[in-house]
This record gives sequence, structure tokens and C-alpha cells, in this order.
Amino acid sequence: DAKTTQPPSMDCAEGRAANLPCNHSTISGNEYVYWYRQIHSQGPQYIIHGLKNNETNEMASLIITEDRKSSTLILPHATLRDTAVYYCIVRVGASGGGADGLTFGKGTHLIIQP
Amino acid sequence: DTAVSQTPKYLVTQMGNDKSIKCEQNLGHDTMYWYKQDSKKFLKIMFSYNNKELIINETVPNRFSPKSPDKAHLNLHINSLELGDSAVYFCASSPWTGVGETQYFGPGTRLLVL
Repeated sequence: DAKTTQPPSMDCAEGRAANLPCNHSTISGNEYVYWYRQIHSQGPQYIIHGLKNNETNEMASLIITEDRKSSTLILPHATLRDTAVYYCIVRVGASGGGADGLTFGKGTHLIIQP
Repeated sequence: DTAVSQTPKYLVTQMGNDKSIKCEQNLGHDTMYWYKQDSKKFLKIMFSYNNKELIINETVPNRFSPKSPDKAHLNLHINSLELGDSAVYFCASSPWTGVGETQYFGPGTRLLVL
């Protein structure tokens, strides 16, 4: 799986959009970008994933650059409950089956300020 | 309606003891995992099972033995506990088929070896 680079920490004001960047310059054509987060003392939680098109769900939006070497996770209206460590993970999609473990890096500690 | 549950939530024990952690998922998934999160907060895959069969066995001491009595349960037995085994252990599950399967994590078991 390709390696990712994320800033160790970021602050964001409550109610503002939080934009979390991720670099994955060695991503392969069949690798997806996944985002998970881990709120303190809880298990990781899936947020969103994408291959090359931008994606949006009820939690966030994922913007992937055209060359796919970087992406940005956007939390449109951050709340205090969004304070967590956010992990950007690049891996092959499990088409046809797979049980690969996720490779977590250090992630970005996002702190939402009141 | 807990999707992935683990017991116990906390486990404090002496060096040399044998202990088990249980995991159950009610999502109907075929694949289950064990992850370890150490004191530095790195989260690493230990094992994965698909339909009761071992798929991934990372470099983990053979004191750790996973057991899957059925596809909804994956237990972790640890023999001769050592101080370095102190960590948070997370269970997860995912569907076997499909592109970009999401992993759902349990709340974690906090193991402290004294």
C-alpha cells in the first residue's frame, strides 16, 4: 500500500469548515483513498473513501486532485465532537474479496476550538 | 444495537497470566480482525479471519492465538502475558466482497499487564 503524509495537528474554529490534507504521491492506479477517524478512547470510525472522483456523504466530502497525488477531507461545519485523530489511508479496493488490514499512520490530530 | 462489541472493556492482570478477549459482530460480515494500539497510539493489524479461516497473521508472538468459533465471533487468547502486551486491542469486521470494504471497529479492550 502507498504511503501517506499528513500534518501532525490542525486547529479549526467550531462551525467552520475543516480541511485536512493528505499527500499520497506514490499512489497506484488501483488504490483508493480512505479516511478514518479516532475520537479519544473510541475505536476508529470510517468516514469516506474514493478512487478518483470527488465524493460526499453525510459526514464529509473528499476532494482528490486530478493526478491523485493528494486529497483533502472536508468537514463542512465542524463541531466540538469532530475533535479526533484523522487517518488518511491508501489501499487497494477489495474487489472480489479481501481481508487486508488497514495500515494506519500517525494521522492528523484535529482540534475544534469553541 | 451494538455492531461490534468487545468484552471486557478493561483488563488488568499480572505478568505470566493467560487471558482472553472476546469480540462479536452482528453485521453479518464474513471478515473479522484484531488490531493492537500501543502506548504511542500506533494502530497495527494483528490477524484477520474470513468465515472462520485465518487470512492474515502478522508478525505476532505465538503467545497470541485467535479463535473464531463462527463468523460472528473472533476471540483473542493471550498466554504468558508480558508487560509489553499492555495496549488497547480493537476488533473490527468487514464484508468479504465488494470494492473498498469498510471496516467497523469495536470500542476496544484496554489491557494493562502489571
